[in-house]
Amino acid sequence: DGGITQSPKYLFRKEGQNVTLSCEQNLNHDAMYWYRQDPGQGLRLIYYSQIVNDFQKGDIAEGYSVSREKKESFPLTVTSAQKNPTAFYLCASSISGGPLNEQFFGPGTRLTVL
Amino acid sequence: KQEVTQIPAALSVPEGENLVLNCSFTDSAIYNLQWFRQDPGKGLTSLLLIQSSQREQTSGRLNASLDKSSGRSTLYIAASQPGDSATYLCAVRASEAAGNKLTFGGGTRVLVKP
Repeated sequence: DGGITQSPKYLFRKEGQNVTLSCEQNLNHDAMYWYRQDPGQGLRLIYYSQIVNDFQKGDIAEGYSVSREKKESFPLTVTSAQKNPTAFYLCASSISGGPLNEQFFGPGTRLTVL
Repeated sequence: KQEVTQIPAALSVPEGENLVLNCSFTDSAIYNLQWFRQDPGKGLTSLLLIQSSQREQTSGRLNASLDKSSGRSTLYIAASQPGDSATYLCAVRASEAAGNKLTFGGGTRVLVKP
């Protein structure tokens, strides 16, 4: 069953801690993306990767870091430098980074800072 | 900088009525536009993708139109059902030079009352 999985579904973090959100896809897609969604708002792009071992900053990259060591995995670390990390985080992938390619989304991780 | 707006932010209709959801964007140099559905606490499901050369796309009870020159798209849902209750998001894809970056609107939350 092909798709995108994100774990955990819910994550709680104490202030000052770094946390890592997992995103895995078995669609054999080259491109992967991380978005943040705040209540009542659309999605904003954090980071994206068009190929293994390469990634670029999106619109709101400050306080986040990523890695892309494997094609199927694109973990996102929310660092203590992110001042307001409570949000819903969505991972997506597409066949490649070209504009004709539809993005498919995972189920999301809800991060809450205690 | 591309900005995408969806008005109204929320909409409530009785079952059976047709739904009209609006999306406007500031930069007409788009590659395509995509409509998504999001259920509470879930990821995004793609509904329709309209290429910049197209005027409309249809899938079942859904029809989306695109007027690139005026920076507008409209999603029509015929004969609404309670199961159509969700948040609907539109997103535009920038020109080919910008790759596969999506810019999202804030969404319209729809409630269809039985």
